[in-house]
This record gives sequence, C-alpha cells and structure tokens, in this order.
Amino acid sequence: GNSVTQMEGPVTLSEEAFLTINCTYTATGYPSLFWYVQYPGEGLQLLLKATKADDKGSNKGFEATYRKETTSFHLEKGSVQVSDSAVYFCALSASSGGSNYKLTFGKGTLLTVNP
Amino acid sequence: GAVVSQHPSRVICKSGTSVKIECRSLDFQATTMFWYRQFPKQSLMLMATSNEGSKATYEQGVEKDKFLINHASLTLSTLTVTSAHPEDSSFYICSARLTGEGWETQYFGPGTRLLVL
Repeated sequence: GNSVTQMEGPVTLSEEAFLTINCTYTATGYPSLFWYVQYPGEGLQLLLKATKADDKGSNKGFEATYRKETTSFHLEKGSVQVSDSAVYFCALSASSGGSNYKLTFGKGTLLTVNP
Repeated sequence: GAVVSQHPSRVICKSGTSVKIECRSLDFQATTMFWYRQFPKQSLMLMATSNEGSKATYEQGVEKDKFLINHASLTLSTLTVTSAHPEDSSFYICSARLTGEGWETQYFGPGTRLLVL
C-alpha cells in the first residue's frame, strides 16, 4: 500500500534559520505530493503541491521538489519566521480505484521557531 | 475561495448519546467529501469517503453503523457518531475535493473536537 514517512520532530529553530523537513514515500503509480500545514487550533491548509516528477511546488517561501528517483519530497525554507511555527504534514494522493483518490499522510512534524 | 466549514467546532457529550458534525463547502460544490480522525500527535486517518447522493465508502476497520455519513447535497456532508463512548473522543476533520482545480486536491475544514464523558 501507499505510505509516507517524514522526519520525526519536534524541530526547534531560531528565527532566520534554514529549514528542512524530510519526506519520503512509497506508492504504486504516479502519485501527487503535498505539504499541508496545521497552525495551532486550526485545520490543515494546503501549503504546496507537485503533481509530477521534477515539479517544484512553492508558496510563502517554502519549496519542495518531487524527486521520483529518490521517492522524496523534502520541504525547505531559507529563513524561517516565528509565524511558521506549526505542524507540517507530507501527503500523497493516489488512486484508490477508478476515479477515487485518497490522501495518505505522514505523521506530521512539529516546528517551533524561537525569536 | 475553497472554504470548508465545520460545525460545531467543539462538542462535549455524555457516553451513549449521538453527536452530529456538519461539513459545508461554502463557495464551491463538492461532489466528494472526506472524513478524517486525528489523534493527539498522530497523523490524520481517513475514515470514509462521502459522495453526494450515494452511500459513503468506509475504510477498513471503521464501523459503518457507528459513524453514519450522509452527503445529501453538493455543499453538505454530516458525520453522526452514534452511541458515543470515551474512546470516540478525538479531532474529526472533513475535507472537500475541488474538482475544477484539480481532481485530487482537497480543502480541509477547521475540525471538530469531540469529548465524550
């Protein structure tokens, strides 16, 4: 079956530090890949996505590249801010049969950015 | 655009009672909605896929008679936790698929925290 593995947290950084959250996946076929962010007390928000190999998703200074050869979709940001403190989920979307698609999530990585 | 709401945001109930959670797509039509459950510090686990006008498709291990799903319109899906017990306490999240933007993209509601006493 499909699975997503992301680095366990928590990750604690100082403001303006470089961020990497690793994510690897296992899937049959050609999944789409996503990063979702969950701020304290809120629901998940789509942060970025990539739908095919070598695509780079980017948003709010975050980026991730779909690497088929390494089955990875690592999240990076060059300079984090306190407001980036949240839980980050890597996910893939793949067919569950016919036209039905399901999201499979990693366990989430808690990021805390200190001033 | 692509806003999904849930009601209530938080509910406390007594063991043995039933609780209904609503999921609405506010500015788009959603032929497919999903219901997830999230335990503390854990990932989201898909419970069921809800298709407008048809029966929901439940994931393995999810009790259909306990978690009743109704998707009566293109903007509303409901999850009813019947005869709730303390182990049903969790964070329930719905999402809706925005077909026009990309069939696999889902937009999530803010979640409903259920506490069963």
